[in-house]
Amino acid sequence: DVKVTQSSRYLVKRTGEKVFLECVQDMDHENMFWYRQDPGLGLRLIYFSYDVKMKEKGDIPEGYSVSREKKERFSLILESASTNQTSMYLCASTTGRGDRSGDTQYFGPGTRLTVL
Amino acid sequence: GNSVTQMEGPVTLSEEAFLTINCTYTATGYPSLFWYVQYPGEGLQLLLKATKADDKGSNKGFEATYRKETTSFHLEKGSVQVSDSAVYFCASASRGTYKYIFGTGTRLKVLA
Repeated sequence: DVKVTQSSRYLVKRTGEKVFLECVQDMDHENMFWYRQDPGLGLRLIYFSYDVKMKEKGDIPEGYSVSREKKERFSLILESASTNQTSMYLCASTTGRGDRSGDTQYFGPGTRLTVL
Repeated sequence: GNSVTQMEGPVTLSEEAFLTINCTYTATGYPSLFWYVQYPGEGLQLLLKATKADDKGSNKGFEATYRKETTSFHLEKGSVQVSDSAVYFCASASRGTYKYIFGTGTRLKVLA
């Protein structure tokens, strides 16, 4: 079974802190994604990565950065946390081979981040 | 741009009732279509998918048919159970792109 794990289920941080969210997948997937999930807005893509050290901005990259130094690990960084970044953060991965579509996204359990 | 629209919830049904959750999409070409389910406190997991027109995805009694002519992928189940209470997301993924588009989610509550 594919496993996508996230470093924390719940996290509470203060405004202005630097926050690291870690995601690890164990299926040798090329593509990894970070989303945030907010009520009434569904899932919005923050960043994705299609290879080690490669990244592309999603729909809402402002205030976030990412790092992918190893294939299995994709980190989301909040450079200076703000209260409007309080949300549920979901990591996902896919194989991404072939025609680059139709691949199932496998999700981690999510990290609920509260910024005070 | 591409988009996915699904019916707003919450949807509240009695056990053994028939379920339909509507989903329509806009996309260039013919995307792959998905239904994901999110149980309380968990991440999303794939429920079913279809990769071309007229395909029917099915799993755990749920079904959805890829309708090109109406650009729809409605989710149905003949007899819901309390354990089906969750949030359901419709999604699309177009060829030649890594990007997945998700609907806003529909919360289903099934009462015993």
